[in-house]
Amino acid sequence: DGGITQSPKYLFRKEGQNVTLSCEQNLNHDAMYWYRQDPGQGLRLIYYSQIVNDFQKGDIAEGYSVSREKKESFPLTVTSAQKNPTAFYLCASSTLVADTQYFGPGTRLTVL
Amino acid sequence: AQSVTQLDSQVPVFEEAPVELRCNYSSSVSVYLFWYVQYPNQGLQLLLKYLSGSTLVESINGFEAEFNKSQTSFHLRKPSVHISDTAEYFCAVSEEGGSEKLVFGKGTKLTVNP
Repeated sequence: DGGITQSPKYLFRKEGQNVTLSCEQNLNHDAMYWYRQDPGQGLRLIYYSQIVNDFQKGDIAEGYSVSREKKESFPLTVTSAQKNPTAFYLCASSTLVADTQYFGPGTRLTVL
Repeated sequence: AQSVTQLDSQVPVFEEAPVELRCNYSSSVSVYLFWYVQYPNQGLQLLLKYLSGSTLVESINGFEAEFNKSQTSFHLRKPSVHISDTAEYFCAVSEEGGSEKLVFGKGTKLTVNP
C-alpha cells in the first residue's frame, strides 16, 4: 500500500526541547517537502529536498532543520530556536518538483 | 515566479446549492494547475488537476474546474453540494515542465449548512 506516513499524529513537548517529526514515503518519489499550517495562513514551506543528501530552505526555515540521508525519509527537527512551534505540520512528496504533491496525514505539535 | 490568489477565504452555502470557489494565478509561462481538499485534522488530498488538453477537468465526486488562460483562472465548481463537502480547498500552480515547486493559495473554507 503506497503512501506517505507521518508519526506521531499528536506530539506534546515542553518549551525549550528539540523535537523530531518523522516522514516516510514508499512512492519512490525524489522530492519531499515540509509545510507548516496555522489557522487562516494556508501552507507555508519550511524545507524541501529534490534529491538525497541535498535540501533547500523554504519561506520559514528559521528554527527548523532537516536531513535527507535516504530517499524514503525526510525528518524535520523543530529546535528550541523556533519561537512559536505549536502548529500542524504536513509532509509531502512528488516525482518531480513541479509535479503533483502527495501529502501525509500530518502531525499536530503542541508546545506547553 | 508564479503566484495564486484565492479570492474568498470563507464560503458558506446551503446543502444542494451550487458553489464556485475562485482561483486566479499569475505566471509568464504555461502552467499546471491543481485543486486540493483538506478535511479537518487531515492532510491535503488531490481533487483534480490540469496539465494539458481539455480545459475542463472533473473529479470523481462531482467537482469540476475550468482552465481559462485569458482570464488566468481555474475556478472550482459543483452544481449541488453535500454536507460532506465541508472542508478547506487549496488551489496550486506550477510551471509546465519547470523546476520550481508548487505554489499554493491561502485556501477557501467551504461550509455546507443543512
